[in-house]
Amino acid sequence: DAGVTQSPTHLIKTRGQHVTLRCSPISGHKSVSWYQQVLGQGPQFIFQYYEKEERGRGNFPDRFSARQFPNYSSELNVNALLLGDSALYLCASGALDRGGGADTQYFGPGTRLTVL
Amino acid sequence: AQRVTQPEKLLSVFKGAPVELKCNYSYSGSPELFWYVQYSRQRLQLLLRHISRESIKGFTADLNKGETSFHLKKPFAQEEDSAMYYCALSKNFGNEKLTFGTGTRLTIIP
Repeated sequence: DAGVTQSPTHLIKTRGQHVTLRCSPISGHKSVSWYQQVLGQGPQFIFQYYEKEERGRGNFPDRFSARQFPNYSSELNVNALLLGDSALYLCASGALDRGGGADTQYFGPGTRLTVL
Repeated sequence: AQRVTQPEKLLSVFKGAPVELKCNYSYSGSPELFWYVQYSRQRLQLLLRHISRESIKGFTADLNKGETSFHLKKPFAQEEDSAMYYCALSKNFGNEKLTFGTGTRLTIIP
């Protein structure tokens, strides 16, 4: 298993454009989470999806949206890009343990987005 | 609100010396605490979680609810421990969002 995969690796956009980032979870994992990591900071939670439904949303504007597909892969969309959206976007997958205790989340390598 | 504080952005330690990376948290409930590590050119990966009570690569961390701390410790630092370390918190029960600290870059001096 290659682990969590993300595409593209790097992306350069200009202000006002739209971007779509993609994530494939580890086989068997049904939960996907997205995080934004600005340089010098820890990852910040954006969304979590489980079984195609949104389970959590962080403090991000409506320009950020996401969805999860039947095969559990996910897309993160950002509209009307701002310079401040430049960051590393991380995807994490997990098995979602409902029995108690947070399941381990496994991170992908990230997509580096640069907004000019 | 959940918050994780890592007071040291940078920490340099000589090889063979003890290491302690500090982490304090604020959360009104009963949290689950994690340490994640990112080695050079590698992805973020779980180092240890408090409910496992395991020692991974010689590292241990004890949850101190009175002091709301989860410091990471290793008695004898090794060069391969040089990396970025993040403390993280999630609510108990279920795969909840992780709240990360700002991270500490640990450098082991040969």
